[in-house]
Amino acid sequence: AQKVTQAQTEISVVEKEDVTLDCVYETRDTTYYLFWYKQPPSGELVFLIRRNSFDEQNEISGRYSWNFQKSTSSFNFTITASQVVDSAVYFCALFMNRDDKIIFGKGTRLHILP
Amino acid sequence: DAGITQSPRHKVTETGTPVTLRCHQTENHRYMYWYRQDPGHGLRLIHYSYGVKDTDKGEVSDGYSVSRSKTEDFLLTLESATSSQTSVYFCAISDGGANTGELFFGEGSRLTVL
Repeated sequence: AQKVTQAQTEISVVEKEDVTLDCVYETRDTTYYLFWYKQPPSGELVFLIRRNSFDEQNEISGRYSWNFQKSTSSFNFTITASQVVDSAVYFCALFMNRDDKIIFGKGTRLHILP
Repeated sequence: DAGITQSPRHKVTETGTPVTLRCHQTENHRYMYWYRQDPGHGLRLIHYSYGVKDTDKGEVSDGYSVSRSKTEDFLLTLESATSSQTSVYFCAISDGGANTGELFFGEGSRLTVL
């Protein structure tokens, strides 16, 4: 079965702290993609990153970084020096080549406190 | 921004009435998806399309039907709306290929079934 688990329902941190959002996935496929999306309070969904199953190289984009580990089926997202504007719901998602479906985790609501 | 619009953006209806939500894209993308977003459930896939007249079911397809007669339009129909279908509905598009799985979302349609 394909599944995405975001165990952290809600997280609150004080501004400038680092925070890591966890994502664990399940799939039988060897070819797949993993994603992170952001949904700010305004409601739109914004694409952040895509990673394919053959590329375990970690990625850094400004204050954002992603750690992909196939051995633990995890694709965690870290925000360094968090800012109030990072407050949002963050979704991890999985795409399987086999059936063209993209399934999402339940999301983690992140509160950055000033 | 990707050219994707949803209509209506807000709708209130009564149990038992039919409802159709429209997703229109100007990007000529092959893939189109309908998701619903509910508290505690994140985003759940209802139906998706991988081409004109080619559609398939997602995780929560019961009570919903879809049609795609043109590349640019993907319709979601609730034949007889129920209160459990009160939700925010998001349409998403993707062009596949090198951008496989990278979704662009519409702004959402908030449906209330009384």
